[in-house]
Amino acid sequence: GAVVSQHPSWVICKSGTSVKIECRSLDFQATTMFWYRQFPKQSLMLMATSNEGSKATYEQGVEKDKFLINHASLTLSTLTVTSAHPEDSSFYICSSKGPPGAGANVLTFGAGSRLTVL
Amino acid sequence: GNSVTQMEGPVTLSEEAFLTINCTYTATGYPSLFWYVQYPGEGLQLLLKATKADDKGSNKGFEATYRKETTSFHLEKGSVQVSDSAVYFCALSDGALNTGGFKTIFGAGTRLFVKA
Repeated sequence: GAVVSQHPSWVICKSGTSVKIECRSLDFQATTMFWYRQFPKQSLMLMATSNEGSKATYEQGVEKDKFLINHASLTLSTLTVTSAHPEDSSFYICSSKGPPGAGANVLTFGAGSRLTVL
Repeated sequence: GNSVTQMEGPVTLSEEAFLTINCTYTATGYPSLFWYVQYPGEGLQLLLKATKADDKGSNKGFEATYRKETTSFHLEKGSVQVSDSAVYFCALSDGALNTGGFKTIFGAGTRLFVKA
């Protein structure tokens, strides 16, 4: 089946540093990827929609300068948390529409990345 | 705006028990409805879906019927197994990808524990 690979699966960093999370579609082209944030015992919150070759569309309240999203190819999107602070600690999940044939608006998810900022 | 409300967990059942996880939604237009499941240590994966009113989605013994009159999409399984222990997310999606209006909104998730 279709696979979206996300790494690192967990990362610990110091406050003020930047962290990059990668999301790759391994066996299909992902023109659009979505980045979610999940708080403990809460739902997934859509942060932004990433389109290949263009700027990401951020949801209201999400700081685009803090959460930099790049989608330079049809198989790779990256989320960079810049100048991370403890309140940025969370579980970040990427997903892609598809694969082709899966049906309208079906998403394929990465396994998520847990970020802890000390 | 669109929203999804699902029953709080955790839900604890014995093996072979009947499962219902309630899900209701608020949406303009005619969204597609989904159940995604997240097994321990894994990413979310599609369990089943329904794209229009009265459609029934089914997979792995689970089923859910798109009820427009009650704006509901309850998940059911007649006999659960220990391997069904996971977090279940109800979701809706509206719009079409090529118009840029594609968004998926999730409920808070319901954790299911099945005891042997």
